[in-house]
Amino acid sequence: NSKVIQTPRYLVKGQGQKAKMRCIPEKGHPVVFWYQQNKNNEFKFLINFQNQEVLQQIDMTEKRFSAECPSNSPCSLEIQSSEAGDSALYLCASSLGTGENTLYFGAGTRLSVL
Amino acid sequence: AQSVTQPDARVTVSEGASLQLRCKYSYSGTPYLFWYVQYPRQGLQLLLKYYSGDPVVQGVNGFEAEFSKSNSSFHLRKASVHWSDSAVYFCVLSLTGGYKVVFGSGTRLLVSP
Repeated sequence: NSKVIQTPRYLVKGQGQKAKMRCIPEKGHPVVFWYQQNKNNEFKFLINFQNQEVLQQIDMTEKRFSAECPSNSPCSLEIQSSEAGDSALYLCASSLGTGENTLYFGAGTRLSVL
Repeated sequence: AQSVTQPDARVTVSEGASLQLRCKYSYSGTPYLFWYVQYPRQGLQLLLKYYSGDPVVQGVNGFEAEFSKSNSSFHLRKASVHWSDSAVYFCVLSLTGGYKVVFGSGTRLLVSP
């Protein structure tokens, strides 16, 4: 079983509100990924980190989304002003970042924007 | 461009029957291939992975998959399914030389009693 811990499991926000979710990667995994999974099972890559540094992120992330992975603290993903289209399952995954890059996923945070 | 195709959106099998879920990939480099399962209200759990060696890889809970370079496929199999196998299964491709991952569209498996 994965040891990636995501909190909270469920998040309900009104439009325009901030939404923040956290992720503790598996111990010893320096690479952390955030994905958005919609109800059609489509996965959208948002951002990834190696240790505390951003490796890649998409344009959407740069506008309303912010994320960080501080040392000795959980990683976090925050949506500054939630929109209805942000309703989705947000998955955090971590990996050793070597070779085949096996991802280990957390249980996800399900965001509902009303 | 790289892609993963799971041609069957839904598969229904009877409990105790054998199972094959299909996965085709498109990638010019060396593929790293995975199968994950997602149960309701859960994240993705790793079933098995392939990156080299024996093309038949064993996973958890009796699942196995066979890699075929000539067919660009990585089909998942199980000899005898259980009702608890009902879930969504994703075939995933990890590209070499970076952290890009390509997800299939998923196959929803329903095991009927």
